Order: sequence, then C-alpha cells, then structure tokens
Amino acid sequence: EAQLVESGGALVKPGGSLRLSCAASGFTFSSHSMTWVRQAPGKGLEWVSSIGVSTTYIYYADSVKGRFAISRDNAKNSLFLQMHSLRAEDTAVYYCVRSGCSSCQLRQNWFDPWGQGTLVTVSS
Amino acid sequence: QSVLTQPPSASGTPGQRVTISCSGSSSNIGINTVNWYQQLPGTAPKLLIYSHDQRPSGVPDRFSGSKSGTSASLAISGLQSEDEADYYCAAWDDSLNGLVFGGGTKLTVL
Repeated sequence: EAQLVESGGALVKPGGSLRLSCAASGFTFSSHSMTWVRQAPGKGLEWVSSIGVSTTYIYYADSVKGRFAISRDNAKNSLFLQMHSLRAEDTAVYYCVRSGCSSCQLRQNWFDPWGQGTLVTVSS
Repeated sequence: QSVLTQPPSASGTPGQRVTISCSGSSSNIGINTVNWYQQLPGTAPKLLIYSHDQRPSGVPDRFSGSKSGTSASLAISGLQSEDEADYYCAAWDDSLNGLVFGGGTKLTVL
C-alpha cells in the first residue's frame, strides 16, 4: 500500500527557512510525479508545487515562486520542499501527495494518496 | 477568490440526494480532468472521484461525478451521517500552469 510520511514542520520566525521532507513507501517512487498541497488553519486547500518524475518539469504557485524549491531523491524515495523568506501567510499544514497515474501528465492526473501532513507555523 | 467556484455549504437529511457544483473555465475544467476530494473532520483529504466520474476502489457507489463543459458536479445519494465532511474539486489550469482547487463545500447531514 502506498504511504507518504511528512516531517520537518516547526515554528519558525518570519523571514526564516525550513525544509520539509516526505518519505514514500509501498510504490515505485521514481515513476510518479509528486506534489505539495497546503491548508491554512480553517481554510481550504492550496496547491503549492509539483515535480515530474525527473526534475524536467517543476511548477510553483505564484504565492511561493522564488521562495520555495521542490526537489526529489528517487534513490531515497523522498520528496522535499525547501522554504525561504517565510511569511505569516505560509502558516499551514503541508501535505505530500502522489499523482495517481504514473503515465499521465499532471493536467490529466489526480492526487492519491495523501500524507498525514506536517504543520508549519510562521510567527515571531 | 478561488478559480473554481463551489457553494460554501450544502446540507441534506439521511437518505437524501445532494449535489455539489464546481464551476470553472475553458482553461481548467473545460480541457482537463476534474477530481474530487473528501476531507473528514480532523483528517487529511482523500481522493473521492477522479477523471470526472471514476471512483477509486473502496469508495461507495453512492458517490458519483459528472462534467459538462466548464462545470462539474459531485452527487451523493442515500446520504449518511458519515458523509459529513468538506468536499473539494480540483483541476489543472493551463493558463496559470498550475493546479487549482475549489474553495470547498462543507456538507452537513441534518
């Protein structure tokens, strides 16, 4: 069974940096594009960033472009999100999600499964 | 303001049929796959419907999805108390070159 476990969430001051990790198991990690989705407290879901099976295709939401960097290590079955210049509005639970279809482009794909999420709090 | 528009709330009594709409545009729903996610209170979202109308294994056939033009709908028949959750539609947007979610619909079972 495919499983995703996030880690790295913490309390960080505005302007600070943080690196989130996602450990994947139960599937061929290198065959699936991966995505980070976040949810601010009491709010809806917001797509953050996606990465293809190699690093050829990387996409970011405008709200994080230039501050966040997504990466993956296929040898270690791991996904990462490096976050810089953090702002209060980045406070959220960050979910690691797998694309459900290994042979589909992102525009024809879906997210399954989701990790349990890791909380990032940006506050002084 | 979300790119995909959903009603903020919906409600029904046990056994009823409820539909949740998701309105988009020609750059998202009109040309790309629409998916639906269910988020039960205090839990991570879960895939409910993919590729407009496909159910993952384990999802009851009470849940169904459809798409017409630039809009999509999620229907829940035989409403049960455990269906009380937040529901989100999502699609890739070719103009934004990113994924967009609807604002979410909170379903209450009266």
